[in-house]
Amino acid sequence: NAGVTQTPKFRILKIGQSMTLQCTQDMNHNYMYWYRQDPGMGLKLIYYSVGAGITDKGEVPNGYNVSRSTTEDFPLRLELAAPSQTSVYFCASSYQGTGKVNEQFFGPGTRLTVL
Amino acid sequence: GIQVEQSPPDLILQEGANSTLRCNFSDSVNNLQWFHQNPWGQLINLFYIPSGTKQNGRLSATTVATERYSLLYISSSQTTDSGVYFCAVERVGDYKLSFGAGTTVTVRA
Repeated sequence: NAGVTQTPKFRILKIGQSMTLQCTQDMNHNYMYWYRQDPGMGLKLIYYSVGAGITDKGEVPNGYNVSRSTTEDFPLRLELAAPSQTSVYFCASSYQGTGKVNEQFFGPGTRLTVL
Repeated sequence: GIQVEQSPPDLILQEGANSTLRCNFSDSVNNLQWFHQNPWGQLINLFYIPSGTKQNGRLSATTVATERYSLLYISSSQTTDSGVYFCAVERVGDYKLSFGAGTTVTVRA
């Protein structure tokens, strides 16, 4: 199993550009998450999904959109990039269910700079 | 939301030393995880430990859920233990992890 994979690893955007960060998991997890990590800080939740077709906002959703059309994929969209979105973005997944250990597993991250 | 406080914020160790990191949380949880973020930025799962004690090599962790804290022990530290250690909790009835600010550990040879 590859686990959670993210692309790209690095990206530089100009203010106002848009892009999609890709996330895929092959563990058949039902829950998926997007976090951002600013320098010297812990991670903050942007959006999460409890299954295909269902998404919900986290702590810091402004400026982002998500979709979940399949169990495996959970892309994060930035529509109008701003310098405040310069951060490292982590995707994670877990299996939530009765009797299951709901441990979250993280991808390697995408380092985004907006200039 | 739930508050997660980690202490100390920074820790400098000589190779071979032992240390204890602490995580306090403000509400009942059904998930608590410890992560190590290495110098390359990768988040590595150390423990899934909503209660009880676990050991993995030189690392061990204890969570006392009724008193709302968890401890991570590093024994015989090595330079490869350097990095940031995060505690993250999932409040009962919630689906999301809330992270502490981390403890930055530097192990000197």
